[in-house]
Amino acid sequence: AQSVAQPEDQVNVAEGNPLTVKCTYSVSGNPYLFWYVQYPNRGLQFLLKYITGDNLVKGSYGFEAEFNKSQTSFHLKKPSALVSDSALYFCAVRDEEWGSARQLTFGSGTQLTVLP
Amino acid sequence: GAVVSQHPSRVICKSGTSVKIECRSLDFQATTMFWYRQFPKQSLMLMATSNEGSKATYEQGVEKDKFLINHASLTLSTLTVTSAHPEDSSFYICSARTSGGRNTGELFFGEGSRLTVL
Repeated sequence: AQSVAQPEDQVNVAEGNPLTVKCTYSVSGNPYLFWYVQYPNRGLQFLLKYITGDNLVKGSYGFEAEFNKSQTSFHLKKPSALVSDSALYFCAVRDEEWGSARQLTFGSGTQLTVLP
Repeated sequence: GAVVSQHPSRVICKSGTSVKIECRSLDFQATTMFWYRQFPKQSLMLMATSNEGSKATYEQGVEKDKFLINHASLTLSTLTVTSAHPEDSSFYICSARTSGGRNTGELFFGEGSRLTVL
């Protein structure tokens, strides 16, 4: 089985400060990990993914995420938050062992609010 | 990245009517598309997996006779909400996965369709 948890429903951060959105996962084999962002009444936009290689993954809009196998985490980070980063963020996981037929499992989402 | 187009973005209909939502992959072929339903401030709930040329695979608890899915080509999947009722009002989102190569599972999403049933 595969699962993903986003322990925070809401994260507030001041503009210019660093932000972190937390995600932990559980899979049987090796994980494929993803972050998506959703703006109001819009679909999800892909931010970044970890498949293999460097644990620090850089993605769109200055976001990055660090894969930590021992802690089974894949936290999303940005050094300096912008008001325009305010949105709903989803972490997703797929177990490599299940092959390409397996769909992604999404977390419950974290609403990020960047305060001006 | 790959582009997925979803239409209509908003639809309002009367109770008892049927509504069709289209999902197109514009610059790639998608043998598999997914349909989700999202309630306000909640995560995506997978409704069904749409496979080109074969029947869709529905998740437990999703009425296949109410939510008809057709994936007639490699670039188009449709979701028809039949005999819609107010409780069917929701945000419906489709996604697609590119075909071929080493499939790492990355999904590309449509913009979503807001259905309101009066």
